[in-house]
Amino acid sequence: AQSVTQLGSHVSVSEGALVLLRCNYSSSVPPYLFWYVQYPNQGLQLLLKYTSAATLVKGINGFEAEFKKSETSFHLTKPSAHMSDAAEYFCAVRKTGGFKTIFGAGTRLFVKA
Amino acid sequence: DGGITQSPKYLFRKEGQNVTLSCEQNLNHDAMYWYRQDPGQGLRLIYYSQIVNDFQKGDIAEGYSVSREKKESFPLTVTSAQKNPTAFYLCASSIRDRVTNEKLFFGSGTQLSVL
Repeated sequence: AQSVTQLGSHVSVSEGALVLLRCNYSSSVPPYLFWYVQYPNQGLQLLLKYTSAATLVKGINGFEAEFKKSETSFHLTKPSAHMSDAAEYFCAVRKTGGFKTIFGAGTRLFVKA
Repeated sequence: DGGITQSPKYLFRKEGQNVTLSCEQNLNHDAMYWYRQDPGQGLRLIYYSQIVNDFQKGDIAEGYSVSREKKESFPLTVTSAQKNPTAFYLCASSIRDRVTNEKLFFGSGTQLSVL
């Protein structure tokens, strides 16, 4: 069965510092991979998705993620954190040919001034 | 603007009561989904529907029911059999296509609490 593991339920960074949110997936074949962001009391919105066209995927708001098959990882990064980045981030996986999207437990990002 | 509308934003349930959460979309998407969100557990799939008049159980369907009589509507009923209903409920939709890696579009959620 597919699963997604997000390391660290909470991550705290200073404004201007590098953001690194970790995601590992388990799948026998490379699945479709996504990062979503959720602001308080709102639904989720897509940050980026892995399309298999390139291993480095660029998303909105300066975020990017790199697909590493050998490590079964899809970590999310942003070079310089902004206060507005404070939110909860979810890594998700979808089986090729499937309809179900499986979500990780989420990582809450705190940004300190 | 196209999107997904969930109502109400907050809902309170008395013990033994059934309550229905509304989800309407005007994106012309075939597939719709209901997720439950609990702190520290991410999102868990309750039910999903790929097409009108058809739906499948997700991972935690017990105590819930759905209907899909119209393409744009996918209401979720939380029945009295659901003993721990307090959670944030999210409705989502997507284009029905097994081949592509289409994203999910989410509503803004309904917070259900037990009185």
